[in-house]
Amino acid sequence: GQNIDQPTEMTATEGAIVQINCTYQTSGFNGLFWYQQHAGEAPTFLSYNVLDGLEEKGRFSSFLSRSKGYSYLLLKELQMKDSASYLCAVRDKTGANNLFFGTGTRLTVIP
Amino acid sequence: DAGVIQSPRHEVTEMGQEVTLRCKPISGHDYLFWYRQTMMRGLELLIYFNNNVPIDDSGMPEDRFSAKMPNASFSTLKIQPSEPRDSAVYFCASRKDRGYGYTFGSGTRLTVV
Repeated sequence: GQNIDQPTEMTATEGAIVQINCTYQTSGFNGLFWYQQHAGEAPTFLSYNVLDGLEEKGRFSSFLSRSKGYSYLLLKELQMKDSASYLCAVRDKTGANNLFFGTGTRLTVIP
Repeated sequence: DAGVIQSPRHEVTEMGQEVTLRCKPISGHDYLFWYRQTMMRGLELLIYFNNNVPIDDSGMPEDRFSAKMPNASFSTLKIQPSEPRDSAVYFCASRKDRGYGYTFGSGTRLTVV
């Protein structure tokens, strides 16, 4: 089975940096994904990590430590449009490489 | 590429009625997934298909739920009879066989009253 934990809600200020943490337990880890979901919309792909370390993509970075079962998503230079839910998902090769999602972290960016 | 297309976007129905949700995956994608999203449980995988064949339906809540994929371009998720606890957003997603990227549809917001 899979167990994925992330904070339910976070608030941060426009222009600041925020880190959203995700811890996971899974029997057949084969990659970790971050998705962004604006209210009333579909989740959209942000990042993918399969090896330890930091992946940077513009204002967004994602980090993975497989030994600790831990990942974080780092958002820099926050903008109001970054207010959304951020979903951590693990790919499990014992689950046919399907994605299993956490409940998401709702980020509110305030002026 | 029109993406994954779901219909309807919103559905309000009375308890006991049959509900059918529809999905058209991206052409060339071999896998199709049905997820349900609620505040309490997040995104839950209900069932997935590979090359139109149902592979794992262990996430389907109970016998009231059924899903079909008669061809590579169409899938349905049916709830009969519907209950208020089925109220949620239902997402369809597809991906290629060797790819890791999932593409989600816009979802169907179901309200059972």
